[in-house]
Amino acid sequence: QKEVEQDPGPLSVPEGAIVSLNCTYSNSAFQYFMWYRQYSRKGPELLMYTYSSGNKEDGRFTAQVDKSSKYISLFIRDSQPSDSATYLCAMAAGQNFVFGPGTRLSVLP
Amino acid sequence: EPEVTQTPSHQVTQMGQEVILRCVPISNHLYFYWYRQILGQKVEFLVSFYNNEISEKSEIFDDQFSVERPDGSNFTLKIRSTKLEDSAMYFCASTHSSGRAYEQYFGPGTRLTVT
Repeated sequence: QKEVEQDPGPLSVPEGAIVSLNCTYSNSAFQYFMWYRQYSRKGPELLMYTYSSGNKEDGRFTAQVDKSSKYISLFIRDSQPSDSATYLCAMAAGQNFVFGPGTRLSVLP
Repeated sequence: EPEVTQTPSHQVTQMGQEVILRCVPISNHLYFYWYRQILGQKVEFLVSFYNNEISEKSEIFDDQFSVERPDGSNFTLKIRSTKLEDSAMYFCASTHSSGRAYEQYFGPGTRLTVT
């Protein structure tokens, strides 16, 4: 089993839709859970981070962590064409980040 | 807004040559990282660096790789004898403290092409 799994997509949605992006993981030592957005040929851009289980909201973005199920989600409300990018989940125990392979999202106008 | 910068944006080199990739982390950050992303694959951790020492390194970071902070602002990754499979995007990242390792800020990357 891979350490972090993520549906690679691509995922296409109409503008204004609610998007749900998910990752599962196997290492129970992970304590920090991050979501990054990566545009083509650019560096990952930190969107949100969460410590342990729970929800965190920032504008149109909501991150959820369920450590009992080893499952994390990112919800994007009122999606915009500018949200079109690859979304990477990342997890950490200490300073070693483990990234998921990314989900490519297209929001169609 | 402060940002991590990397040079060059694209480096082409021949197999067996040495390359040095350069990064300028955010000025008040103390922890520095290098990652690699082979085209179409996931971002992979290479090494973390603090107080002029390597803190952690992955299996990828073998003897052909080295890192250095030669002065107060630059952070470099050296690949001694490049191989074709070293072709990838290399990202530098930095964070302010170990307690905020989750809050890493990435540079735009250097695309390394080994021919």
